[in-house]
Amino acid sequence: DAKTTQPTSMDCAEGRAANLPCNHSTISGNEYVYWYRQIHSQGPQYIIHGLKNNETNEMASLIITEDRKSSTLILPHATLRDTAVYYCIVRPTRDDKIIFGKGTRLHILP
Amino acid sequence: SAVISQKPSRDICQRGTSLTIQCQVDSQVTMMFWYRQQPGQSLTLIATANQGSEATYESGFVIDKFPISRPNLTFSTLTVSNMSPEDSSIYLCSVVTGFDNEQFFGPGTRLTVL
Repeated sequence: DAKTTQPTSMDCAEGRAANLPCNHSTISGNEYVYWYRQIHSQGPQYIIHGLKNNETNEMASLIITEDRKSSTLILPHATLRDTAVYYCIVRPTRDDKIIFGKGTRLHILP
Repeated sequence: SAVISQKPSRDICQRGTSLTIQCQVDSQVTMMFWYRQQPGQSLTLIATANQGSEATYESGFVIDKFPISRPNLTFSTLTVSNMSPEDSSIYLCSVVTGFDNEQFFGPGTRLTVL
């Protein structure tokens, strides 16, 4: 079973920051938080991952709370191409299989 | 990253027939997986494809229905056997690379069973 809870859907205006929350209150100390997204009719795409510290790459930022029970994915300047389903995943180890939850359907509004 | 291709990209099949889906990766990978995505749903893991040995199936999936082969480090096949309309889904191949242990996904095979 998935170990994460995400809102079913969210809207965000184009050009604004999209903040996607995720709860993972049962996360263990060695488990990573991963984010993937799936644009319609494509395979899931890796976005970012973290263990304890906040992370940033060219696509997004990941903010993990100090107790690690929740995290937020931030798309700093959302575009229409960011419309997708976003999956927050807790992964036991970095070489373990990924189990998907239901994800958040993000709509970027023009 | 790894470049993953799947064949066919889509197919329409008759009830009772079988379809074999191929997954080819452009580099050697440590792990390969097969997922199913039913219409409007999230991805469900079917099995881990093990090189040179039987695949490891998740609860609810059996080898007779979804036989899997993985003859080497870059290739795997998934067969959907004795198909019914309930098997209409997107089937995705996924790999973990040895370099950074990240998991990548193929483009998927869209299967429609009539």
